[in-house]
Amino acid sequence: DIQMTQSPSTLSASVGDRVSITCRASQSISRWLAWYQQKPGQAPKLLIYKASNLESGVPSRFSGSGSGTEFTLTISNLQPDDFATYYCQHYNSFATMYSFGQGTKLEIK
Amino acid sequence: QVQLMESGGGVVQPGGSLRLSCAASGFSFTDFGMNWVRQAPGQGLEWVTYIRSDGTTKFYSDSVKGRFTISSDTSKNILYLQMNSLRPDDTAVYYCAKKGVSGNFFDSWGQGTLVTVSS
Repeated sequence: DIQMTQSPSTLSASVGDRVSITCRASQSISRWLAWYQQKPGQAPKLLIYKASNLESGVPSRFSGSGSGTEFTLTISNLQPDDFATYYCQHYNSFATMYSFGQGTKLEIK
Repeated sequence: QVQLMESGGGVVQPGGSLRLSCAASGFSFTDFGMNWVRQAPGQGLEWVTYIRSDGTTKFYSDSVKGRFTISSDTSKNILYLQMNSLRPDDTAVYYCAKKGVSGNFFDSWGQGTLVTVSS
């Protein structure tokens, strides 16, 4: 099975900052990676798919990059609404494999 | 807009059974694969199972294979998860999630339903 590892586990930042979260795969996954945002008591929300494609309606301050085994979610100009937990997810084209990272909690400094 | 509404959660004893439902609206249910994803209290996300839009193909995580069954009723636009031989480590919020338009990521999620397995 492919393992997804996120870093850091917790990130403290201030409104207006630019932050990055890294997701590493245990083997190459091409660009089959999505990013989700989850707030307490809510369902996850899709932000990015296929490593760098912004989901409709998601603010452009969110961006994704990477391929192979290393991926990055970058949030520019942090807004109060962005403090949440972020998960990366590997998915394959056959719907047989889904692996989530352990999550990164973005906290207000 | 897409709406997914889970129901059926509750408290069940170890070894017991429970059936979850997910009512779907706002999209063509027969055009998209559907999933169940769970989240244990204070923990991360875990994919549980997938069903293809026509119901012909189903996949399960190793942790639930042989105990859980995914199904759908396309006449009612409802997704189901039959859970048997429940264990305490099945305790979680269970979400239904719709397959994305252009890939097997999850572009819409329900609000979740809590399943607690405890004696």
